[in-house]
Amino acid sequence: ETGVTQTPRHLVMGMTNKKSLKCEQHLGHNAMYWYKQSAKKPLELMFVYNFKEQTENNSVPSRFSPECPNSSHLFLHLHTLQPEDSALYLCASSQVDDSYGYTFGSGTRLTVV
Amino acid sequence: RKEVEQDPGPFNVPEGATVAFNCTYSNSASQSFFWYRQDCRKEPKLLMSVYSSGNEDGRFTAQLNRASQYISLLIRDSKLSDSATYLCVAPPQGYNQGGKLIFGQGTELSVKP
Repeated sequence: ETGVTQTPRHLVMGMTNKKSLKCEQHLGHNAMYWYKQSAKKPLELMFVYNFKEQTENNSVPSRFSPECPNSSHLFLHLHTLQPEDSALYLCASSQVDDSYGYTFGSGTRLTVV
Repeated sequence: RKEVEQDPGPFNVPEGATVAFNCTYSNSASQSFFWYRQDCRKEPKLLMSVYSSGNEDGRFTAQLNRASQYISLLIRDSKLSDSATYLCVAPPQGYNQGGKLIFGQGTELSVKP
């Protein structure tokens, strides 16, 4: 596998469920990111991990819990979400302090019912 | 002032037209900028990077004006397949931001036959 892989591609969950989004990168990058994209809104940075250490939590509610066990894997654990959390969740990776931009995964389209 | 600001459009142009998008940024210390393309319900993909005064790749030209703090993207001879949302991207303000990038809200382009 190459690039950045996200699973699942689609997820429908109830407000009381617990689920996890997974991201894996095969590019040898050392930084990984979670972004949220809601309809007609800019991409919102949620979390940044550099060398598997969290360096940014952009005022994200605690119902979103990231985990980065190593530089290649990133998870987003979800629990007791709200309908307004329905969005496209994008994972990206890059080299820290790299000027060559990100590589994004295909995203997980999340619907909270 | 928003860190990265774009005209959301939509820009509706006929095939073969030349179209230009502008994007303003607030961090005068930013060194590198990017244009990403995002197709409907897909992930953003890097289109071009801009480090100095400009960059050209086929029908696409990106220019940087540091004095006025704006970046532009020019598309010549528009194709139907150019229809997408174009995202302007810049590093954030502040020191030690790692590889973090800030995305504009995107400019929607629709090329018609």
